[in-house]
Amino acid sequence: LAKTTQPISMDSYEGQEVNITCSHNNIATNDYITWYQQFPSQGPRFIIQGYKTKVTNEVASLFIPADRKSSTLSLPRVSLSDTAVYYCLVGDPQTRGSTLGRLYFGRGTQLTVWP
Amino acid sequence: DGGITQSPKYLFRKEGQNVTLSCEQNLNHDAMYWYRQDPGQGLRLIYYSQIVNDFQKGDIAEGYSVSREKKESFPLTVTSAQKNPTAFYLCASSIVRQGGEQYFGPGTRLTVT
Repeated sequence: LAKTTQPISMDSYEGQEVNITCSHNNIATNDYITWYQQFPSQGPRFIIQGYKTKVTNEVASLFIPADRKSSTLSLPRVSLSDTAVYYCLVGDPQTRGSTLGRLYFGRGTQLTVWP
Repeated sequence: DGGITQSPKYLFRKEGQNVTLSCEQNLNHDAMYWYRQDPGQGLRLIYYSQIVNDFQKGDIAEGYSVSREKKESFPLTVTSAQKNPTAFYLCASSIVRQGGEQYFGPGTRLTVT
């Protein structure tokens, strides 16, 4: 089960770009890299997922180097409402019969955005 | 509106009592999961199910039980054998395909005194 290492906390100001890096040295060939966001007393929400290179959606970008041993979540121009815990997960959760569901959430990164 | 519902939002029980947490989804997802979250911690997997009438233990299954009699429902029972049941419980579901994301419910905060 691939585990991840990410900073416990980060601070930023409104309007800045935030980059959260996650290390996953023992990522397997079939593993995807997925990021979730969680607000207090709510369930996590999917942000973005990638396998290699760069993925971008309306919320964030995900940068994955060629060796896939790390990844960086980039949040452009953060606002106060982006204050949350961000989890980096590595796994192949959806192949029937595999380690389905065994995603390791860890403690995540608490991002605090200041005015 | 498709989604996952968990009820109730807050639940209080006396020590020694079993309690069942509800989780329902209308997303037509095959897979469902239960996680536990303690203050300042990440999520830990309790049980998961890929298909009706089948489920597997996660990382912290002791003191918990589940059933999956219907595709839409995956109730979790916290038994008196669970040593520290007070926590935030989250249910999720997903399509069973490579890279599929998990959709989470709003959670149930259980307090046992």
